[in-house]
Parts: sequence; C-alpha cells; structure tokens
Amino acid sequence: GAVVSQHPSRVICKSGTSVKIECRSLDFQATTMFWYRQFPKKSLMLMATSNEGSKATYEQGVEKDKFLINHASLTLSTLTVTSAHPEDSSFYICSAPPGGGETQYFGPGTRLLVL
Amino acid sequence: AQSVSQHNHHVILSEAASLELGCNYSYGGTVNLFWYVQYPGQHLQLLLKYFSGDPLVKGIKGFEAEFIKSKFSFNLRKPSVQWSDTAEYFCAVRRSSASKIIFGSGTRLSIRP
Repeated sequence: GAVVSQHPSRVICKSGTSVKIECRSLDFQATTMFWYRQFPKKSLMLMATSNEGSKATYEQGVEKDKFLINHASLTLSTLTVTSAHPEDSSFYICSAPPGGGETQYFGPGTRLLVL
Repeated sequence: AQSVSQHNHHVILSEAASLELGCNYSYGGTVNLFWYVQYPGQHLQLLLKYFSGDPLVKGIKGFEAEFIKSKFSFNLRKPSVQWSDTAEYFCAVRRSSASKIIFGSGTRLSIRP
C-alpha cells in the first residue's frame, strides 16, 4: 500500500517555541493532505485540509495562526505549531489519499510534548 | 452536523470469542464508510471500506462489516478473535461529495489470552 511518513516522530520543546512537523507521501503524489490531532484515549480530530499550491482549509475552532500549514509540493505538507504551550501537547497525525482517491493512508504520527 | 458514534468504549473478550463493534452515523446522504485499526504503538491501518455494492464487506485479518442503510450502521465483526487483535478500532465516515473523513471516538478491544 501507499506510504506516508512523518518527521519527527517525537519532539519535546519549551513553551513559547515553534515546532515544525513534516508529512511526506513517499511513493505517490497528493494534492490534498489532512492533519489530525489525537488526544490520549480519544479519537482523531480533523484539524485542517492541506491543499497543494493554495491555502489550507481549517476546521471550526482550529486557530489558523497557531497551526500554520504549508503544502509546498505534491509530496510534502508541513504543520508548524507556533508559540507552543503545554496544552498543545498531543499526537499529530497526517493522512493523504493517493491521486486524490478515496482511500486515505495515515502517517505514523508525531508526539509533541511542550514543557 | 455529521457525526459518528461508537457506543462501546472498551470491549474485553476471551480468545476465540466472536466480536461485534457498533458504529452509527448521522448523515442521511450517500456515504463512504471505513474501519481503521490502531495497534499499540503503531499508526492507523485500514481494515476495510464500503463505497457501494455488496453491503457485506470483507477486510483483512478475517474482519468484515455490514452496511445497513436503514439503520445508518456499519458494524464490524469477526467470528473468532485472537490475542493479536488487541487494538483500538475506529469507525469513520465520509460524505461522498467531500473528501474529509470524520472519525468515531474509537473502541478499545482487549483480548484475554
């Protein structure tokens, strides 16, 4: 199946700093990628839809100035958590549908801990 | 708003028992339906999906799910579970006209050896 990678897998940062998370489609192109947040023992919450070459579409309640998304190429989307605070600590997961198809493949996730 | 409900938060079974996990959704139009599994420490994997056709869908590892349109349900089943099925299971729904997927709250399955 299609492969989606994320980097880093784990990051610890100080409060107030910014953290960038990368999502790559390794063997296919993706004009659209999705960013989710998963709280402990909770489901995945869709944060935003990343669109190659245009602005991301954010879900209601997600601060677009806090969670910056850039979809610079057909294989890379980045999520930057700006001025991170402890409440931003979470597991961030991206997904992408090969060729804009109907099946999404998920990355392994990035665990963010803000001290 | 579209929602997905998984009423079983934690299910505990013995090996060889039969499994059924419930999933209901609220959207009334045409939908695509998914079951994903997340094994401990691993990322989400697709178990099976329904887009159209036969409402009984067979997936990997002996899992199957049945789409019952009149009940807005897409329950996951397995006739005989194994210890290795211990994982978190997520039902997900997508309106066919949109690309984003909405996830249910998940069901944790624990299998006693």
